[in-house]
Amino acid sequence: DAGVIQSPRHEVTEMGQEVTLRCKPISGHDYLFWYRQTMMRGLELLIYFNNNVPIDDSGMPEDRFSAKMPNASFSTLKIQPSEPRDSAVYFCASSRLDSTEAFFGQGTRLTVV
Amino acid sequence: DAKTTQPPSMDCAEGRAANLPCNHSTISGNEYVYWYRQIHSQGPQYIIHGLKNNETNEMASLIITEDRKSSTLILPHATLRDTAVYYCIVRVAGRNTGNQFYFGTGTSLTVIP
Repeated sequence: DAGVIQSPRHEVTEMGQEVTLRCKPISGHDYLFWYRQTMMRGLELLIYFNNNVPIDDSGMPEDRFSAKMPNASFSTLKIQPSEPRDSAVYFCASSRLDSTEAFFGQGTRLTVV
Repeated sequence: DAKTTQPPSMDCAEGRAANLPCNHSTISGNEYVYWYRQIHSQGPQYIIHGLKNNETNEMASLIITEDRKSSTLILPHATLRDTAVYYCIVRVAGRNTGNQFYFGTGTSLTVIP
């Protein structure tokens, strides 16, 4: 398996624009997680899904952020409208129900100018 | 999940053992100790986990004190590629617990030639 695949790897956008980050989890995994990493706050869990259903979105910073998982092989994290303080590296991770290990993607580095 | 305390940074000479400590004095009886590491610009990577017995795998050893209030991750022969931020996490493991991980600030390990 190619692992968790995220796209794009880098995104630069202007403030106010909509940004969509994409994630393809490892096939057969039941859980999918979105994390955000900044120097100030470290790695923060934003939301996670179990079998495509959002379970806990308490980490989503505000209504400008939304996440979907339309099927078991694809998820999106959308920011609309984007702001400079959203600049961060966004990681997607997946795991199996009976596994204690989460596998992370390479991340998307978002810069909002 | 219980909080953990780690030193912010450590150095280790190449070829020597790297011993990374972690305090988790409020750990509950059903919480495991996990270690992840994050090499610069990459997603976090699972290293090892344990409940109360010492554990060893191809990457590292995990030593948990008898009272489980602290643990040590040991990299037996550190190489330059082990330079990374190491995260100690305690959480409940098992089915239907979400499998989510909450990362602290970690220890930045620098392996010196």
